[in-house]
Amino acid sequence: SQTIHQWPATLVQPVGSPLSLECTVEGTSNPNLYWYRQAAGRGLQLLFYSVGIGQISSEVPQNLSASRPQDRQFILSSKKLLLSDSGFYLCAWSVEFSEVREQYFGPGTRLTVT
Amino acid sequence: GQNIDQPTEMTATEGAIVQINCTYQTSGFNGLFWYQQHAGEAPTFLSYNVLDGLEEKGRFSSFLSRSKGYSYLLLKELQMKDSASYLCAVTDSNYQLIWGAGTKLIIKP
Repeated sequence: SQTIHQWPATLVQPVGSPLSLECTVEGTSNPNLYWYRQAAGRGLQLLFYSVGIGQISSEVPQNLSASRPQDRQFILSSKKLLLSDSGFYLCAWSVEFSEVREQYFGPGTRLTVT
Repeated sequence: GQNIDQPTEMTATEGAIVQINCTYQTSGFNGLFWYQQHAGEAPTFLSYNVLDGLEEKGRFSSFLSRSKGYSYLLLKELQMKDSASYLCAVTDSNYQLIWGAGTKLIIKP
């Protein structure tokens, strides 16, 4: 069966500090991978998605970046965090070439920028 | 532009029935999803509709009308554990998921 891991679960970082969130998927090959952010009481905002190693599409211009160094690893980074980067960060995956494209979510990382 | 509308919040009574509506305007349509999200947790898949009609899954049912750009999620025999946010999402012509802001459902005893 497939599982998706994210860490850390919670993170408190000062403004201007760097960020690295990691997501890994097990039990599937060549998944589509996604990074979302959810502000408190709001919907999901797609930040990045990837259809393969080294292939990253950005949906929202901002100070965040993403990388996919391995097939089942997706990393979200920032060089300098802003207060507005606070939120609940969710990684998700979906099956490649599936018409349904149901997305499966990791447990999320709650980031507070102080 | 692409837009998905859902009510922000709804309140219902334990044991009752509630219908959560979703209307959408997207560039193409390749299916509609409903997800449940409990506070502080990740969304979990509830249902998928790609053809018009009603899909029933236990206490939950989801309806789709593609011509009207409309869907609803019907929850029967409400339980306190059904208190959560319900997210509507549509797959557009590029197979990208467009998400609604979610409906917070409050269940009262």
